[in-house]
Amino acid sequence: AQSVTQPDIHITVSEGASLELRCNYSYGATPYLFWYVQSPGQGLQLLLKYFSGDTLVQGIKGFEAEFKRSQSSFNLRKPSVHWSDAAEYFCAVGANGNTPLVFGKGTRLSVIA
Amino acid sequence: GAVVSQHPSWVICKSGTSVKIECRSLDFQATTMFWYRQFPKQSLMLMATSNEGSKATYEQGVEKDKFLINHASLTLSTLTVTSAHPEDSSFYICSARDRLRGSGENTGELFFGEGSRLTVL
Repeated sequence: AQSVTQPDIHITVSEGASLELRCNYSYGATPYLFWYVQSPGQGLQLLLKYFSGDTLVQGIKGFEAEFKRSQSSFNLRKPSVHWSDAAEYFCAVGANGNTPLVFGKGTRLSVIA
Repeated sequence: GAVVSQHPSWVICKSGTSVKIECRSLDFQATTMFWYRQFPKQSLMLMATSNEGSKATYEQGVEKDKFLINHASLTLSTLTVTSAHPEDSSFYICSARDRLRGSGENTGELFFGEGSRLTVL
């Protein structure tokens, strides 16, 4: 069975600082990996995804993530955080293109001036 | 892009009543939709997989007689919370895949509705 661990429940960064949100997954084969963002009371928006090819993927809003098979990780990064990035971020894994996704518990990002 | 719409976005009901939540794919067809439940400040927990034209598949621990799912067409799935109780209060989110996007860079992506917040008094 697949599982996702997001070790950080809450992270606070200063506006303009760099950001890295951690995600570790458990799955026997190469998984489909996703990062979603959720603003309060809203649905989820896809930031980026990986299923094959280049292990460094670019997403929307200046986010990127790197798939590292040896570490079973798919960490999300952004070089310069904006106040509007404050939200809940979820890492998710799927076995293939048809199965439902399994989500991590999320990391809440706060941005301070 | 693919749009999934949920209705209502917010509902309050009395204990013992039933509430229906609709999930529609507006610009694509979805043979499969997924219903998730999210408790405050927690992750999304898969409740069931809704299959067009057939019975839904429920996750372990989810009462199928309490959470009725109907996937009547390729663009509509409904979740009915029957005889609602305060502990059913939660944020319910549906998601869907475009059935025509079966490979390539679009593989696997789920499109999410805006969510429906249910409060049972």
